[in-house]
Amino acid sequence: EVLLVESGGGLVQPGGSLRLSCAASGFTFSTYAMSWVRQAPGKGLEWVSTIGGGGGTYYADSVKGRFTISRDNSKNTLYLQMNSLRDGDTALYYCAKVSVGTAKFDYWGQGTLVTVSS
Amino acid sequence: QSALTQPASVSGSPGQSITISCTGTSSDVGSYNLVSWYQQHPGKAPKLMISEDNKRPSGVSNRFSGSKSGNTASLTISGLQAEDEADYYCCSYAGSNSYVFGPGTKVTVL
Repeated sequence: EVLLVESGGGLVQPGGSLRLSCAASGFTFSTYAMSWVRQAPGKGLEWVSTIGGGGGTYYADSVKGRFTISRDNSKNTLYLQMNSLRDGDTALYYCAKVSVGTAKFDYWGQGTLVTVSS
Repeated sequence: QSALTQPASVSGSPGQSITISCTGTSSDVGSYNLVSWYQQHPGKAPKLMISEDNKRPSGVSNRFSGSKSGNTASLTISGLQAEDEADYYCCSYAGSNSYVFGPGTKVTVL
């Protein structure tokens, strides 16, 4: 059974930093792309970033230059380093397993909440 | 990376069929056969319902079907049931390893 468990969310001041983690199990983590997708309170889904199985990284324009996605295949863990956080980054952050060839997010975690506020 | 367009809400009575549209551009929906649809119940994570425009994952009811014409994709729910009441999001591959979501459609079962 595929399981994705996010952690690391919390309250941070504007301009601050936070690192999210996503522990994966139930599949061969190193061979799959992984993504972060966020959802602001009461709003829709927004793709944030993807990292390929080979390590290639891709970002939405809204976070480019501020967020860094990475992975540790030895720990089956996905990360999102978030710097220069803004009010607009407040959201529930989901990690999702990606099937790159078919562009589908086929498994999702339950999310971790990031609140940016002074 | 402009968002796709979806109706804010769609409603139907039990047993009826409803269709949710998802309009993009020739740079996303119209360029790739890579539209997916997600169901999200309140307080829950999204669930994949349709991928590659019209492919249904194992375990998803055959009451859900997807289609596409030009820059517009559609999700049809037939035989509407109370459990189908949820938010539905379309998503398209947009090239250069990027993805774009629609704003979501709230489905209400009357």
